[in-house]
Amino acid sequence: EPEVTQTPSHQVTQMGQEVILRCVPISNHLYFYWYRQILGQKVEFLVSFYNNEISEKSEIFDDQFSVERPDGSNFTLKIRSTKLEDSAMYFCASGPARGEAFFGQGTRLTVV
Amino acid sequence: AQSVTQLDSQVPVFEEAPVELRCNYSSSVSVYLFWYVQYPNQGLQLLLKYLSGSTLVKGINGFEAEFNKSQTSFHLRKPSVHISDTAEYFCAVSDQASYQLTFGKGTKLSVIP
Repeated sequence: EPEVTQTPSHQVTQMGQEVILRCVPISNHLYFYWYRQILGQKVEFLVSFYNNEISEKSEIFDDQFSVERPDGSNFTLKIRSTKLEDSAMYFCASGPARGEAFFGQGTRLTVV
Repeated sequence: AQSVTQLDSQVPVFEEAPVELRCNYSSSVSVYLFWYVQYPNQGLQLLLKYLSGSTLVKGINGFEAEFNKSQTSFHLRKPSVHISDTAEYFCAVSDQASYQLTFGKGTKLSVIP
């Protein structure tokens, strides 16, 4: 069964450093998403990406964040200058239609 | 804006007993509804979804949910739980005007042997 794959599974970075989280969505999906879950809190929407551009983003997704689909298969989330409060589980998701999402296993980001 | 309320943060239940996990939503437009399960240290797995049509939706692992528009609810049920159903369950909603899913806070289901 096809699945969304994310790398790395864990990432530890120093405050102020840039990180790139990587995802390979399900191949025939058209909609791509990033969500995050801070420990003990709700899963929160960050951004959606469709037709090679951002289709929607939340207030969390400020200028420190960017997304890219560089080669038609990978989907990346970049955080330019990480802060302690960026520590969370980051989930990539993809879907065949608007609103539907199949999630990856997540990348646990720890900012120290 | 839409929101999701999961009324119970924790639900303990004995093995082979039935369970219902409650979910209420608010939205000003037509919605799509989802239940996801998260096992410890794992990602979110889609259990079932309501997009349109029959209000009773069957999913994986013997779960089902019923969409009730008048009560704005989408409760998840299973007639007989197993130990392996121990996990956190998330209700989520999206609407036809948006790309994003809005999640509830989750319900931790603990199945007691």
